Amino acid sequence: NAGVTQTPKFQVLKTGQSMTLQCAQDMNHEYMSWYRQDPGMGLRLIHYSVGAGITDQGEVPNGYNVSRSTTEDFPLRLLSAAPSQTSVYFCASSQGTGPWGEKLFFGSGTQLSVL
Amino acid sequence: TQLLEQSPQFLSIQEGENLTVYCNSSSVFSSLQWYRQEPGEGPVLLVTVVTGGEVKKLKRLTFQFGDARKDSSLHITAAQPGDTGLYLCAGAPRTGNQFYFGTGTSLTVIP
Repeated sequence: NAGVTQTPKFQVLKTGQSMTLQCAQDMNHEYMSWYRQDPGMGLRLIHYSVGAGITDQGEVPNGYNVSRSTTEDFPLRLLSAAPSQTSVYFCASSQGTGPWGEKLFFGSGTQLSVL
Repeated sequence: TQLLEQSPQFLSIQEGENLTVYCNSSSVFSSLQWYRQEPGEGPVLLVTVVTGGEVKKLKRLTFQFGDARKDSSLHITAAQPGDTGLYLCAGAPRTGNQFYFGTGTSLTVIP
């Protein structure tokens, strides 16, 4: 049982480069989300999706793009990487179309450094 | 500005001591959760509380949701080295689909 799978585990980018962080879940969860984790700031929501074809912005969406073409996959795209995007990124999913009282299942994270 | 503030940010205690971590907000939440995160891993859910004043126990961990549903606490009795980790509270507001996390408390239990 894989759960939530994130790739890559580590990534180093140069300023201005673009890349896609992959996230896949095999639990048939409707709700998927992306967070970034920075020291002293906990987890901040970047984008989320309540189902295939539906996405919305979270607290810190600038510089990131998402799409949800299937229930299983929710990739996060960095359009033009900046040093301020150096962070650890987590993908999470939950059953149902909203997070209220639902258990979030997290991937193991992607550590991104932008030079 | 973080919607959920946790205190303390760092906590280092000896094995066997008791501790309390606080999660505070000026907003009302429909539910509040506590997660624990170990290095190199994603957070893992410990508990969900949904009723104001609710108290839940998980072995040596006691979780409480404030009467006004704006705050929560996590109390650990007789801490053990295995309790070491980052503790995060997370709240779901009454409306919307966003799930907000607190600033985190890093706990180290020294053998």
